[in-house]
Amino acid sequence: GQQLNQSPQSMFIQEGEDVSMNCTSSSIFNTWLWYKQDPGEGPVLLIALYKAGELTSNGRLTAQFGITRKDSFLNISASIPSDVGIYFCAGVSSNTGKLIFGQGTTLQVKP
Amino acid sequence: AAGVIQSPRHLIKEKRETATLKCYPIPRHDTVYWYQQGPGQDPQFLISFYEKMQSDKGSIPDRFSAQQFSDYHSELNMSSLELGDSALYFCASSLVGRGWTDTQYFGPGTRLTVL
Repeated sequence: GQQLNQSPQSMFIQEGEDVSMNCTSSSIFNTWLWYKQDPGEGPVLLIALYKAGELTSNGRLTAQFGITRKDSFLNISASIPSDVGIYFCAGVSSNTGKLIFGQGTTLQVKP
Repeated sequence: AAGVIQSPRHLIKEKRETATLKCYPIPRHDTVYWYQQGPGQDPQFLISFYEKMQSDKGSIPDRFSAQQFSDYHSELNMSSLELGDSALYFCASSLVGRGWTDTQYFGPGTRLTVL
């Protein structure tokens, strides 16, 4: 079945540093989504990518949809303590819309 | 803006009992997705409904069933509960009228604990 490989699995950084995480897939997706999840809460949508090669920003967050449609990365600039959480990439099945998630990246930010 | 509503937020059941989880999508959204997330895991797709019809089925046990009603809310029914069913259950909604690849918005989840 379809799988997404997300890396790194976890990161521990100093406040103010930039962060980068990425996702790769063995299959093509027409839409990539990035979510942030706090413990015990639902994933919150951060950025949606709809076109290959697209680069999209949302405040300090920047994400790109790979030109092959098999990968995506998310950058967070000037990290702050509230960036702590688990970040998931997700590919959207073009047939039924179900999401295939990456394994998640746990981000810890040291003040 | 209105978000996805799920109830209850927490549920504790005994083995072999039944449970019903409810989901109310964002107004005017026509599609509902159910996901199960075990501890330290990513969410896994269970089942989805578009315009009250099942649109896709994932790794959902036969003990589970779900439906979408005329007002677009959805219910996930779980019977003969097992310890391994303990997890967070999320509902997400989207507006497929804009295409299957439109974004999904998640509810806060129901934490099910089976004792």
